[in-house]
Amino acid sequence: NAGVTQTPKFQVLKTGQSMTLQCAQDMNHNSMYWYRQDPGMGLRLIYYSASEGTTDKGEVPNGYNVSRLNKREFSLRLESAAPSQTSVYFCASSIFGGNQPQHFGDGTRLSIL
Amino acid sequence: GENVEQHPSTLSVQEGDSAVIKCTYSDSASNYFPWYKQELGKRPQLIIDIRSNVGEKKDQRIAVTLNKTAKHFSLHITETQPEDSAVYFCAATPSNDYKLSFGAGTTVTVRA
Repeated sequence: NAGVTQTPKFQVLKTGQSMTLQCAQDMNHNSMYWYRQDPGMGLRLIYYSASEGTTDKGEVPNGYNVSRLNKREFSLRLESAAPSQTSVYFCASSIFGGNQPQHFGDGTRLSIL
Repeated sequence: GENVEQHPSTLSVQEGDSAVIKCTYSDSASNYFPWYKQELGKRPQLIIDIRSNVGEKKDQRIAVTLNKTAKHFSLHITETQPEDSAVYFCAATPSNDYKLSFGAGTTVTVRA
């Protein structure tokens, strides 16, 4: 039982490059989330998917897109990376909705030069 | 939307002493209040949560209290140990919301 798995763990990009962060959960959860974590700013929600087939913007969606590929997988795409997107990205899932415990992946540390 | 404020931002305690972290929330409809612990370089992990129909909840050395009237909730860690050193995040959400609102975090350092 792996829980929430994120790939890659580390990535360095050049400004303007694109990439997709992958997230998969094996807990049969309905809701999935993408957060970014910057020093002193806590966890900020980028996008979330309440259930398969739906996605919604969070607090800081600009510069990102998401795809809920199926119930297990939720990917985050940076179309044209900017240095301001240097951060640690966490994927999380919950059984259904925000008022249930969220389980986090190990994170992706992304640096954009 | 919900706004959660967390204090203090840093907390240093002597091993064996107690630590208290306080959070306030803005939306009176919020009814779920989890606390997450994040060790350096690790993922956030849920350590305790409380719902609005309960005023206090304990789990060994950790307890959370909720004051709905004042819209604040607190995490209490007793008999602190070095392994309690971490960043702690509070969060809140209304029942009809699919997302959590997190506080900015408290860095707790337990001095030996």
